[in-house]
Amino acid sequence: DQQVKQNSPSLSVQEGRISILNCDYTNSMFDYFLWYKKYPAEGPTFLISISSIKDKNEDGRFTVFLNKSAKHLSLHIVPSQPGDSAVYFCAASATGTYKYIFGTGTRLKVLA
Amino acid sequence: DTGVSQDPRHKITKRGQNVTFRCDPISEHNRLYWYRQTLGQGPEFLTYFQNEAQLEKSRLLSDRFSAERPKGSFSTLEIQRTEQGDSAMYLCASRADRGGSNEKLFFGSGTQLSVL
Repeated sequence: DQQVKQNSPSLSVQEGRISILNCDYTNSMFDYFLWYKKYPAEGPTFLISISSIKDKNEDGRFTVFLNKSAKHLSLHIVPSQPGDSAVYFCAASATGTYKYIFGTGTRLKVLA
Repeated sequence: DTGVSQDPRHKITKRGQNVTFRCDPISEHNRLYWYRQTLGQGPEFLTYFQNEAQLEKSRLLSDRFSAERPKGSFSTLEIQRTEQGDSAMYLCASRADRGGSNEKLFFGSGTQLSVL
């Protein structure tokens, strides 16, 4: 049972344009969501997070939007840069569980 | 803050051998996690510790796998009688415990295991 889903395995975007990565979840108990970026042969690095009490969180070029009724979140990267090319994972956690469930990832390629 | 450290970075072993990986979390991080990642998949939760107590184990963690965190600092993950299906990247992560659930995980660089 995949509780966190990233249905797009890959995405290609031109440099300077917006990248939108999507994530859906099924467990309504999830109330904290995170995005991680991963380069090959390295561990994931934290990008941005959002609590369920908010619907948007912004940090520089990265913005995460949360739609609780649709159980959907998205990560927007504007403007996209070639160095953003990596695999992006969303993750979710529920208060009190201290466990983080990850999606299968979306490979972003930013074309120069 | 020196980050989460994992050793070794790579391990090649023959089927049936035992292997042990080590993780040093960020100092003062009470919670330590082990995840496994295979190609095309996201990190899969294996187990986690609060200090030295192992609080949860995934069904993925068969009885060939054992994890310890004896003094609440570093942790080891041992796989006995390795199988080819154990080939994966094993990731360690830690997080602060400031009284709430909303804390980010910090990951190490992982140990890439290849079982021949």
